[in-house]
Amino acid sequence: QSALTQPASVSGSPGQSITISCTGIRSDGGGYKYVSWYQQHPGKAPKLMIYEVNNRPSGVSNRFSGSKSGSAASLTISGLQAEDEADYYCVSYTSSSTPYVFGTGTTVTVL
Amino acid sequence: QVQLEESGPGLVKPSETLSLTCTVSGGSVSSGSHYWSWIRQPPGKGLEWIGYIYYLGSTNYNPSLKSRVTISIDTSKNQFSLKLSSVTAADTAVYYCARVLGAQRVFDPWGQGTLVTVSS
Repeated sequence: QSALTQPASVSGSPGQSITISCTGIRSDGGGYKYVSWYQQHPGKAPKLMIYEVNNRPSGVSNRFSGSKSGSAASLTISGLQAEDEADYYCVSYTSSSTPYVFGTGTTVTVL
Repeated sequence: QVQLEESGPGLVKPSETLSLTCTVSGGSVSSGSHYWSWIRQPPGKGLEWIGYIYYLGSTNYNPSLKSRVTISIDTSKNQFSLKLSSVTAADTAVYYCARVLGAQRVFDPWGQGTLVTVSS
């Protein structure tokens, strides 16, 4: 399966909310249930931010939230802060020949 | 908490085999709840899943790399490894190892990553 599609970049001012979309998620084999989001700062390893569409791991700010609609998932960052400036990747898991497919990645810029 | 660390040569010649090892500390690769995965990221590009292994030895690979990839596990050393054969410049990337939480199907945590350059 090809990479999931994300916007190349999204920007916002401090305090604003932004939403990153992730399209092309398969509906079969659990694709809609197992959507996760990762944050990656330059030169660092990715960090899990959202799992199973809208669940936050312990320690992740509640400013991060996830949702899904149709064949797309979204990550919303509310109350944007300078530290949120990073790359974000969605990932979908399905019980298929290619279990894990990453999104193309989105660079978030805080203006 | 669980930590992962990649190790191996940072430079590999074209047509040779890339070999990396991931050492797990603070947890056991023999945990039945987890899988162990490799993911890579070419410089300036996005992430690509390579494959994963279960402690009993079962594996699953990305079809685009399947003919060249072998992932193995050594429970006695608490390590798992990646071999990628017949490498080309297109295999130049930061290679990450990560634990897969079986129930949630997510990668957490990740190692810090290691850059492997394919060049003569």
